[in-house]
Amino acid sequence: AQSVTQLGSHVSVSEGALVLLRCNYSSSVPPYLFWYVQYPNQGLQLLLKYTSAATLVKGINGFEAEFKKSETSFHLTKPSAHMSDAAEYFCAVSSTFGNEKLTFGTGTRLTIIP
Amino acid sequence: GAGVSQSPSNKVTEKGKDVELRCDPISGHTALYWYRQRLGQGLEFLIYFQGNSAPDKSGLPSDRFSAERTGESVSTLTIQRTQQEDSAVYLCASSLASVGGKAFFGQGTRLTVV
Repeated sequence: AQSVTQLGSHVSVSEGALVLLRCNYSSSVPPYLFWYVQYPNQGLQLLLKYTSAATLVKGINGFEAEFKKSETSFHLTKPSAHMSDAAEYFCAVSSTFGNEKLTFGTGTRLTIIP
Repeated sequence: GAGVSQSPSNKVTEKGKDVELRCDPISGHTALYWYRQRLGQGLEFLIYFQGNSAPDKSGLPSDRFSAERTGESVSTLTIQRTQQEDSAVYLCASSLASVGGKAFFGQGTRLTVV
């Protein structure tokens, strides 16, 4: 069984400030972890994914996430927020063993304050 | 096709009527998911198909909801006797395999029950 918890359904940051979106997972086997982004009026698209090659994963648009096994976390960060980062972000987990489905968190809506 | 295609893109129906939503996954993708996204809320898992295995129907909210998929082709999600709380965007996604597989999402079907 696996699950994802995203802390904070809404996060607001000032333009230029650090973005930190939190994701904690639960998995009985080593996981694959993903961040997806949904821009307004658009479909979901993959931002980045962790597949055990490296604990720090870089994605598109300057985002990165670090896999911390000891904390069962996969938080998403960006050093300097841009107005175009306003979107909804979803963390997801799947198992590395067998055909486990992709399980999503409930999402975090990021608002950028000018 | 080049991406996951969903039809119709918008559907307005009267309460009590049945609706059928269609998803054309990317050719060759063995895994197919249906999710629901209510206004202002996160992704709600509905059902998951993986190849010829029995589908995971654990997310279907009631027996009014059902979904079919023949092999690795088109899937249809049927909602019988629609209720106003069924109003949402219904998203379909497919991937080559759920193990580390990147999921590609369709644009969704916006269902409004009046």
